[in-house]
Amino acid sequence: GDSVTQMEGPVTLSEEAFLTINCTYTATGYPSLFWYVQYPGEGLQLLLKATKADDKGSNKGFEATYRKETTSFHLEKGSVQVSDSAVYFCAPLSTGNQFYFGTGTSLTVIP
Amino acid sequence: NAGVTQTPKFRVLKTGQSMTLLCAQDMNHEYMYWYRQDPGMGLRLIHYSVGEGTTAKGEVPDGYNVSRLKKQNFLLGLESAAPSQTSVYFCASRPGLTRNSPLHFGNGTRLTVT
Repeated sequence: GDSVTQMEGPVTLSEEAFLTINCTYTATGYPSLFWYVQYPGEGLQLLLKATKADDKGSNKGFEATYRKETTSFHLEKGSVQVSDSAVYFCAPLSTGNQFYFGTGTSLTVIP
Repeated sequence: NAGVTQTPKFRVLKTGQSMTLLCAQDMNHEYMYWYRQDPGMGLRLIHYSVGEGTTAKGEVPDGYNVSRLKKQNFLLGLESAAPSQTSVYFCASRPGLTRNSPLHFGNGTRLTVT
């Protein structure tokens, strides 16, 4: 069945550091790929998405590129801020119209 | 615009008690979902609905029931709570006709079963 493997956390970075959170997936067919973010005490919200190979999703300085050949969708940001502290979830949307969530990666950015 | 609203926000139950979690959305979305979130396990799908009057099982449906009598509401019931059901429960919705539409989440219900 479809599944997703996400980089284990927690991750602690200093402000302005570079961020990468790895995500790889297995899927039958051709899923769309999403990153969600969860701030403390809140539900998840969409961060970015990509729907076909080589598409780059971007939002709030975060980027991720749909790599079909490596079945990956790694999240990157060039310069993190304290306000980026949150839990990040990679979530493919299968051709069966269901989301599969990774275990989440907790990010803490220190000033 | 409220989006997805979950009630209650917190609840403590004793083993064997029952309760219902309510989810309401005002975006006219066709699809609605119940997930549970546990440390180190991400989100797991309990039940979902693709329209009023229809429900289906997700990955972890045992011990839960759901109903979707109105399009805007999706209820999650626990008939006889167990400590293993201690978790944070999230409701989500999305449009049914748009293939790549994202989920819209509520802020969660934290349930403790003692």
